[in-house]
Amino acid sequence: DADVTQTPRNRITKTGKRIMLECSQTKGHDRMYWYRQDPGLGLRLIYYSFDVKDINKGEISDGYSVSRQAQAKFSLSLESAIPNQTALYFCATSVTNTGELFFGEGSRLTVL
Amino acid sequence: AQKVTQAQTEISVVEKEDVTLDCVYETRDTTYYLFWYKQPPSGELVFLIRRNSFDEQNEISGRYSWNFQKSTSSFNFTITASQVVDSAVYFCALSEASTGGTSYGKLTFGQGTILTVHP
Repeated sequence: DADVTQTPRNRITKTGKRIMLECSQTKGHDRMYWYRQDPGLGLRLIYYSFDVKDINKGEISDGYSVSRQAQAKFSLSLESAIPNQTALYFCATSVTNTGELFFGEGSRLTVL
Repeated sequence: AQKVTQAQTEISVVEKEDVTLDCVYETRDTTYYLFWYKQPPSGELVFLIRRNSFDEQNEISGRYSWNFQKSTSSFNFTITASQVVDSAVYFCALSEASTGGTSYGKLTFGQGTILTVHP
């Protein structure tokens, strides 16, 4: 089983709908992240959390919110999805000292 | 602000050719980490290497080698004798760190280079 698990893996939705992407990890890491991947833009940081009580905005947080329900769970929500949020979303965890990221398998979201 | 630039959008080579992927970074910090990740067609992100800013020694791992030059703010990646299985998107990334070496944890990624190796 994957150490970092994302659900759903694929989702097609309509403009205006609320969407939640969930992430759970068994690595025991405190730090968790949500990144978005778009062709030609690389990966961009949406939100990150260094522990359950710590939530921080990343580079592109507008239109997104997150919840850190437990050390092992970090969810990303789109309150009212729009087409330009169509992308591949990655959850990741990291080791505190060196910052190496361990990624989930990705969630492909299509907003029509 | 930190920035990572991978100027090569796409590279196409024939199997057994050597190929170098360029990465140039910008940061105001003196302590930082540099990374390379591989994203094969299946989509997952695979960690390849991490380099501390204080360690400029080049590294070789099998057919892979990395050349870190602080003077030019570059961290280039070379694949020797490329193979079809090397076809992937490769990302360079930067993470700033404290003077004690603890990463701040937020990686800034380059745009990625699509490498296609033809048989």
